Amino acid sequence: DTAVSQTPKYLVTQMGNDKSIKCEQNLGHDTMYWYKQDSKKFLKIMFSYNNKELIINETVPNRFSPKSPDKAHLNLHINSLELGDSAVYFCASSLALTSGRGHTGELFFGEGSRLTVL
Amino acid sequence: AQSVTQPDIHITVSEGASLELRCNYSYGATPYLFWYVQSPGQGLQLLLKYFSGDTLVQGIKGFEAEFKRSQSSFNLRKPSVHWSDAAEYFCASGRRGGNKLTFGTGTQLKVEL
Repeated sequence: DTAVSQTPKYLVTQMGNDKSIKCEQNLGHDTMYWYKQDSKKFLKIMFSYNNKELIINETVPNRFSPKSPDKAHLNLHINSLELGDSAVYFCASSLALTSGRGHTGELFFGEGSRLTVL
Repeated sequence: AQSVTQPDIHITVSEGASLELRCNYSYGATPYLFWYVQSPGQGLQLLLKYFSGDTLVQGIKGFEAEFKRSQSSFNLRKPSVHWSDAAEYFCASGRRGGNKLTFGTGTQLKVEL
């Protein structure tokens, strides 16, 4: 069973389009994240949700809108795609550090969604 | 703010040789520290982690790392590299009580046969 799954794995689209990437985790975690990995492999956090509540929102254009319908899902919607949005987007999950269950920050990653904007 | 530095962008070693990948963190208190590996086209897999206690931690695939507070380092080591170890390696740190990990820029490991 895949612990953190993302769809689609590959996405090729034109500038100006709107697209979504979906993420689901079956680990029972209560915190989920979106990271962006650029062409130089640099990983930068974009968003984090804890129990459907947004807790991290880094400096990300408001064309990016995360949505968490429940704590097992965190989707990423991107409006008006630009060339610079081309990257690999990773979803991850973890137990909350304040969960009291002894968790210490380990993230479990999905396999990534490679977005190419033409 | 936390930062993680991996000074080596690329490292090439011969199969069977020993390996050390460097990682330095910047944080006042003792952070949580991690090493992840990313194979081409794959997500990140946790190799090992340090929270507290013994400063030498063992991980999967024969890797180990040593936390050195005096040097703010958490270097990854392997005594004998296998060709399948070729991948991108990321060091990451998390703040105790925090809710995110900060990643280094990664080190690409190439293994010569």
